[in-house]
Order: sequence, then C-alpha cells, then structure tokens
Amino acid sequence: NFMLTQPHSVSESPGKTVTISCTRSSGSIAINYVQWYQQRPGSAPTTVIYEGSQRPSGVPDRFSGSIDSSSNSASLTISGLKTEDEADYYCQSYDISNVVFGGGTKLTVL
Amino acid sequence: QVQLVQSGAEVKKPGASVKVSCKASGYTFTGYFIHWVRQAPGQGLEWMGWINPNSGGTNYVQKFQGRVTMTRDTSITTAYMELSRLRSDDTAVYYCAREGSYNGYGYGLDVWGQGTTVIVSS
Repeated sequence: NFMLTQPHSVSESPGKTVTISCTRSSGSIAINYVQWYQQRPGSAPTTVIYEGSQRPSGVPDRFSGSIDSSSNSASLTISGLKTEDEADYYCQSYDISNVVFGGGTKLTVL
Repeated sequence: QVQLVQSGAEVKKPGASVKVSCKASGYTFTGYFIHWVRQAPGQGLEWMGWINPNSGGTNYVQKFQGRVTMTRDTSITTAYMELSRLRSDDTAVYYCAREGSYNGYGYGLDVWGQGTTVIVSS
C-alpha cells in the first residue's frame, strides 16, 4: 500500500502559473497512471489530466501534467491562472486493483 | 452522451441501511467498471470499491468489508451500492464513477455521477 501526498493549499494571482505536487510514498510513481481531478464547491469531480499528461477534450491547454521519477511525484501545472480555476484538485493512481486518491489541494486564485 | 445519474438524497437513522443507484446511459454498460467514491463534509475523496458490470465481480476497500455490497442490473444498466449498519460518520456525498477504459483498468475515472447525499442522524 502507498499514499499520495499533496499540499493542503496553494494560492497564486490571476495570470500566473501554479504547480501542485503529488508524491507517492512507496513504489515508483511511473508504475501506474496518475490522474488529476478538479472539484468546484457543490459539484462532482471532473478529469483535467489522465494517464499522467493527457488532457480530455474541452480542458484548456493551460492545464498540463508531468511525472518526475527523481522525486517520485506527479505534478499538475496550471498556467495563465483564471479565477474560474479556483477549486480543489485531487491526484489519483492505482495500487494493483485498488484506487488511491491524494488528500486534495485547495487552489485559491486571488 | 455518456451519463451516470444517481438516485436522490437519503436521511437514515444509525443502524439502518441505504442503497444508492447509478443509472448509466450512452455507452456499453458491461464494458466499463463502476467505482464508488464518497466524500464526507469538508473532506477529501475516499474510494470504496468497484464492480465489474459484466461479471458482477467486486473489490471492496477493507474498511467497508462486511458492510458494503455493490451490485448491478444489466437489464436496466444500473449499478447499486448498499451500505449497512450506518453510523453518523457515514454521512457523506456518495459518487459513482466509470473506469476510463473499455474492458480495461488503470486509466482513471472519466465520468462521474452527480452525487447522492446520505445523512445519518438520529
């Protein structure tokens, strides 16, 4: 079993770039795909990145995902921040047949 | 379009059971696992398990073993999650979500239901 650790919160100004990390506690981050979900208050999560770096149709290219094996972590980067990006973001991966979520990061755009 | 539509909010007393439904449409129901995820008030996402709608096979988080039952009815393309012996800390929004690959696993949860609020209170 492993855990995915995210910062509790991040904040940045509109137009800037922010990166949210997701560190895997054991085993290689590259073994299983990492997804990122955006959740606005009162709404269900939606996928912004899947398979580590792929964007679903409709997700702007301001959102990008990457993997860093040296730090055993995945990252979600949002450039050109907009106020509408303010939300909770969750990373997610797999542990054999189980799903693992990170604890979530609250992004504030101010 | 691909859609998962869940049943309405429930209020239950401690010790009771709740059964949440998840109606799938717009795709081949038996080709994609269905996951169940819950979110307590102000908390993060907690994965509960999955069901393979094709075989009926299930995989539950150990924490819920003995209390959760996931089933499906392929004739009406609906998945169900029943949680028994409810406690106050089971108060949460319960989501169903589709595994993102046809006959596959490990590609993320690509479509989510709207969520079902379950309140457990005496």
